[in-house]
Amino acid sequence: EIVMTQSPATLSVSPGERATLSCRASQSVSTYLAWYLQKPGQAPRLLIYGGSTRATGVPARFSGSGSGTEFTLTISSLQSEDFGIYYCQQINNWPTTFGQGTKLEIK
Amino acid sequence: QVQLMESGGGLVKPGGSLRLACAASGFTFSDHYMSWIRQAPGKGLQWISYISGTSTYTYYRDSMKGRFTISRDNANNSLYLQMNSLTAEDTAVYYCARAKKDTVVTFDSWGQGTLVTVSS
Repeated sequence: EIVMTQSPATLSVSPGERATLSCRASQSVSTYLAWYLQKPGQAPRLLIYGGSTRATGVPARFSGSGSGTEFTLTISSLQSEDFGIYYCQQINNWPTTFGQGTKLEIK
Repeated sequence: QVQLMESGGGLVKPGGSLRLACAASGFTFSDHYMSWIRQAPGKGLQWISYISGTSTYTYYRDSMKGRFTISRDNANNSLYLQMNSLTAEDTAVYYCARAKKDTVVTFDSWGQGTLVTVSS
């Protein structure tokens, strides 16, 4: 199964600053990659799919990029509601697998 | 709006069984693949199984094959997960999730989850 590795494990950023999260796949997943945000006590929310397409209702400050094995989620100007744990997911190979998460916390 | 609500979790002894249910509303249930995903305490997400809109196709994570069975009742907008031979490693919050239309495992709606605890 494909192993998804996210870095860093924890990222401390001040509101209004830019955040860059990374996700690496153990083998190519083309652009079949999604990003989710999970806040404490809540279910995950889909942010990005197809590597770079924003899901319905997701603000333009979220952008995804990458292909193959290296992917990046960028949040251009952090808002208070953006803090939580971000997961990447590959859907190119079975079974679909998730990264272990990057915790984005307020600095 | 889209709503998914899981039920059926609880405390079960090792070797026991449990049946989870997920009630869906706010969308045409039969139009979507549905999945179960779990999250062990303090851990990441693990996909378990999916089922197609008309139940034609099902697929399981290898480690769950033969122990877990996914099913759905489109007349009642419900998804199920029958879990047998449970072990402590199955302790987790179990989520049902809807796949985005025309996809299989891109999850655009999730329930709030139901906690399953396997312990003697």
